[in-house]
Amino acid sequence: DTGVSQDPRHKITKRGQNVTFRCDPISEHNRLYWYRQTLGQGPEFLTYFQNEAQLEKSRLLSDRFSAERPKGSFSTLEIQRTEQGDSAMYLCASSSDRVENQPQHFGDGTRLSIL
Amino acid sequence: AQKITQTQPGMFVQEKEAVTLDCTYDTSDPSYGLFWYKQPSSGEMIFLIYQGSYDQQNATEGRYSLNFQKARKSANLVISASQLGDSAMYFCAMRAYSGGYQKVTFGIGTKLQVIP
Repeated sequence: DTGVSQDPRHKITKRGQNVTFRCDPISEHNRLYWYRQTLGQGPEFLTYFQNEAQLEKSRLLSDRFSAERPKGSFSTLEIQRTEQGDSAMYLCASSSDRVENQPQHFGDGTRLSIL
Repeated sequence: AQKITQTQPGMFVQEKEAVTLDCTYDTSDPSYGLFWYKQPSSGEMIFLIYQGSYDQQNATEGRYSLNFQKARKSANLVISASQLGDSAMYFCAMRAYSGGYQKVTFGIGTKLQVIP
């Protein structure tokens, strides 16, 4: 069990650019979640995958955001035409549905800064 | 709608003393789970303790215990014998099902500072 891995740890980009983040969940976990966390706030749910199926998307996820989990393993989160308001920590978490109400295990996050 | 409320933005506790961090929740789902996470200044989210809505007994994990009062919809975290390393943000979270899919909601957190 190597834990949830996120890449990159930090991303600085200019407004208007596209960015893509990657998350590798714990290998036996079939559920994967993306959250956004801004300073002084708790994580806000963005989207959730069960295997390769994207089952729920928050209203926070505008059309500029897209997430994929093509083979039910790693996931990517892409933000197109970034805006300054996108600056935040993006957290990925995974869990297993084999035991109900297992806790989510979080990665260390990707901190996005928009110049 | 699901909601988690943490009303204590900041708390101080003397080292070796116990402290209670408050959490109230709201959901219409009869089956749900409540979690507490710790987030140190380094940023990682560390799972501490879990309580299921049908669990009869309060959860305990080492120095952490969860004071679950279902009728009052509260799930307070109790940390006994505080240590300097307990200084961090603490988040209460709830997992429930809404519209057929599970949803996880976090509170805004409580910043705990342990004083030597």
